[in-house]
Amino acid sequence: GDSVTQMEGPVTLSEEAFLTINCTYTATGYPSLFWYVQYPGEGLQLLLKATKADDKGSNKGFEATYRKETTSFHLEKGSVQVSDSAVYFCAPLWARDDKIIFGKGTRLHILP
Amino acid sequence: DAGVTQSPTHLIKTRGQQVTLRCSPKSGHDTVSWYQQALGQGPQFIFQYYEEEERQRGNFPDRFSGHQFPNYSSELNVNALLLGDSALYLCASSLRRRGTEAFFGQGTRLTVV
Repeated sequence: GDSVTQMEGPVTLSEEAFLTINCTYTATGYPSLFWYVQYPGEGLQLLLKATKADDKGSNKGFEATYRKETTSFHLEKGSVQVSDSAVYFCAPLWARDDKIIFGKGTRLHILP
Repeated sequence: DAGVTQSPTHLIKTRGQQVTLRCSPKSGHDTVSWYQQALGQGPQFIFQYYEEEERQRGNFPDRFSGHQFPNYSSELNVNALLLGDSALYLCASSLRRRGTEAFFGQGTRLTVV
């Protein structure tokens, strides 16, 4: 069945470090791909998206590129800030059923 | 646009009781999905409503039921509450079969004691 795998956390980095959070999904069709972020005590916020192969989503300095050949959607940021500390979820969405599948999430801690 | 709104924000119930959670979708959206997020875990899909009918269901028992109203708002009902039902319940709204993003509410934190 449809599934998504994220790198396990927690990930701890110093401020201004480079961030990569890996995400791969099972390829039954071509989903839209999203990254959601969850700050402590809050719901999920859409961080960025890509709807077709080779699309690059970007927002707030974060980027991710839809790689159909490797079924991946890795999240990157060149210089993280303390305020980026949160849980990040990779989430594919197949239009055939509108059901978003979530990974387990990756907790990110940024140290000042 | 108020986005997706959920009520209440927090709730404490006793084991065996019943609970109803409510969700108003983002303006223009016609599909509502419910998720359960246990502490430290990713959201798990409960079910999805479109045109006032349950269209899909995740691996949750019949104690979990729902409803969608003509104005697209939705309710999640849980009967015979168990301690393990304690979680953050998230509502997401979207446009049917467009492959576009879902917008989430802030969630309802349910604690069963």
